[in-house]
Amino acid sequence: RKEVEQDPGPFNVPEGATVAFNCTYSNSASQSFFWYRQDCRKEPKLLMSVYSSGNEDGRFTAQLNRASQYISLLIRDSKLSDSATYLCVVNSPSYKLSFGAGTTVTVRA
Amino acid sequence: DVKVTQSSRYLVKRTGEKVFLECVQDMDHENMFWYRQDPGLGLRLIYFSYDVKMKEKGDIPEGYSVSREKKERFSLILESASTNQTSMYLCASSRTTQGTGELFFGEGSRLTVL
Repeated sequence: RKEVEQDPGPFNVPEGATVAFNCTYSNSASQSFFWYRQDCRKEPKLLMSVYSSGNEDGRFTAQLNRASQYISLLIRDSKLSDSATYLCVVNSPSYKLSFGAGTTVTVRA
Repeated sequence: DVKVTQSSRYLVKRTGEKVFLECVQDMDHENMFWYRQDPGLGLRLIYFSYDVKMKEKGDIPEGYSVSREKKERFSLILESASTNQTSMYLCASSRTTQGTGELFFGEGSRLTVL
């Protein structure tokens, strides 16, 4: 079983829509969680960390569900510029970072 | 602005050739990493380094070696390239140990081995 699993998508949504997707992780002792964004043919960049209480950054909301071992990312009022692949990243107790394969989001006009 | 620079964006090599991929960061970070990214597999850690002349194997070190002679530079070496090493290679640096802080990535080096 992969340590981090994501629905690859693609999620095709119109501008202004809300899109949400999850990422599951296998190690229940995982401690830190992140979402990175990767534009086509570009390097990944940190979008946001995910805190236990959930956190919001503008139109982006991240949630952590430890009981079910998943994190989620919700994008409100989608913009064309939100089109990207979103990578889920989980830190295990051994400080090893595990990356998901990514969820692709395409926002259409 | 933070910067991680990889020497080559695109390379085409033949099976058996030696390949050097270089990475330089200007943020004075102690920690540097080499990943490869393949469709459907996500990023997989090849090697990392916490200090000059120090290296640790990641999840998939076979067929690779690394060199860190200076703090700002971390090189990935393929001693004898094989077709299964065709991939996107990403270098990253971080101020903190792996897993506790933001990773800054270079733009990547897409290697094709024929």
